[in-house]
Amino acid sequence: LAKTTQPISMDSYEGQEVNITCSHNNIATNDYITWYQQFPSQGPRFIIQGYKTKVTNEVASLFIPADRKSSTLSLPRVSLSDTAVYYCLVGIYTGRRALTFGSGTRLQVQP
Amino acid sequence: ETGVTQSPTHLIKTRGQQVTLRCSSQSGHNTVSWYQQALGQGPQFIFQYYREEENGRGNFPPRFSGLQFPNYSSELNVNALELDDSALYLCASSLSPGLGSGEKLFFGSGTQLSVL
Repeated sequence: LAKTTQPISMDSYEGQEVNITCSHNNIATNDYITWYQQFPSQGPRFIIQGYKTKVTNEVASLFIPADRKSSTLSLPRVSLSDTAVYYCLVGIYTGRRALTFGSGTRLQVQP
Repeated sequence: ETGVTQSPTHLIKTRGQQVTLRCSSQSGHNTVSWYQQALGQGPQFIFQYYREEENGRGNFPPRFSGLQFPNYSSELNVNALELDDSALYLCASSLSPGLGSGEKLFFGSGTQLSVL
């Protein structure tokens, strides 16, 4: 069963740009890539979603290369409140469609 | 707009017992998915319900079962509880069942289940 792969953890300082990459080699043709943020004792919260090239919203940007086998979440000028676990989500076909979260990247932002 | 709500927030059971977890979907959403999240791990897809029918299932045994009601609320039932079932169980609702095809999931805060 194919799965997504992300760095386990990342450290940053307030005001810096943070880029988190997710690999998803077996992504299906029609699948979107979605990133979620999760704080302790809460459910994941939607950040951004894309299919190809670049998507930008008020909190993040998502870069997807032409082969779509990876994606990069970019958080501009992070703050302490961005300390959380970040997951990338793609639909990985298993015969009966299932959604697979990545292993998650624990981002620690320091002052 | 009412968000996704789950009950109970915490639950303690013993091995071999059965448990029912409940989820109310966000207003206007007809699809509910359930996830299991072990400590330090990402959420694992259990199954999805759309219009009261199971619409997709992850790699979980049949003792994990579910229901969706006409008002789109849902239950997750787990029989013959095992110690490894201890986890945070998350419910997510969405506007459509398009797995992987662009739907946005709205999660509840989860039910923390401890099996002793």
